[in-house]
Amino acid sequence: DAKTTQPPSMDCAEGRAANLPCNHSTISGNEYVYWYRQIHSQGPQYIIHGLKNNETNEMASLIITEDRKSSTLILPHATLRDTAVYYCIVRPGYSGYSTLTFGKGTMLLVSP
Amino acid sequence: DAGVIQSPRHEVTEMGQEVTLRCKPISGHDYLFWYRQTMMRGLELLIYFNNNVPIDDSGMPEDRFSAKMPNASFSTLKIQPSEPRDSAVYFCASRADRDEAFFGQGTRLTVV
Repeated sequence: DAKTTQPPSMDCAEGRAANLPCNHSTISGNEYVYWYRQIHSQGPQYIIHGLKNNETNEMASLIITEDRKSSTLILPHATLRDTAVYYCIVRPGYSGYSTLTFGKGTMLLVSP
Repeated sequence: DAGVIQSPRHEVTEMGQEVTLRCKPISGHDYLFWYRQTMMRGLELLIYFNNNVPIDDSGMPEDRFSAKMPNASFSTLKIQPSEPRDSAVYFCASRADRDEAFFGQGTRLTVV
């Protein structure tokens, strides 16, 4: 069962904001939304995570809807180096034993 | 910290040979994960350890695959005998309890 739904691909112009959507309509109350990305030929890289409040760090912002059924990852000023596959993952936060299950993600292509 | 270190980065072997992949997790992390990535199946969790103890190996595809973690700073994933369908990129990841996971650069395995 896919717990998240993401568009397979998106394009973005360099310098513009990239807004990557994710649907997680069956998310449980104790599940966090995590975002990872994978640049070609590298291992996945953690970006950000949140429970219900919006979050921001040096890499991105995460906007979670009030009903928590969807979220958006925002890269405020995309660069060519942000071209990667972006994975949205829901994961219980209460247990260290919870694992990351990767779907197909969104391939973001940032163009000059 | 140098991050999660995997070796070798590339491995080419003949069908039927034994292959051993190695991983050094980040110091202080008590969870270690082995993933496999292929074009067809994406990123799949094979097995994970907590405090050197295997917790869930349900993702290990066959008895030909085995993983060990003899101490907190070292883990191996062994395939014996190897088959062409085992060709993939194998990632190791580690994390502290309830924290984000850090991935290594992966080992690209080709079985001919």
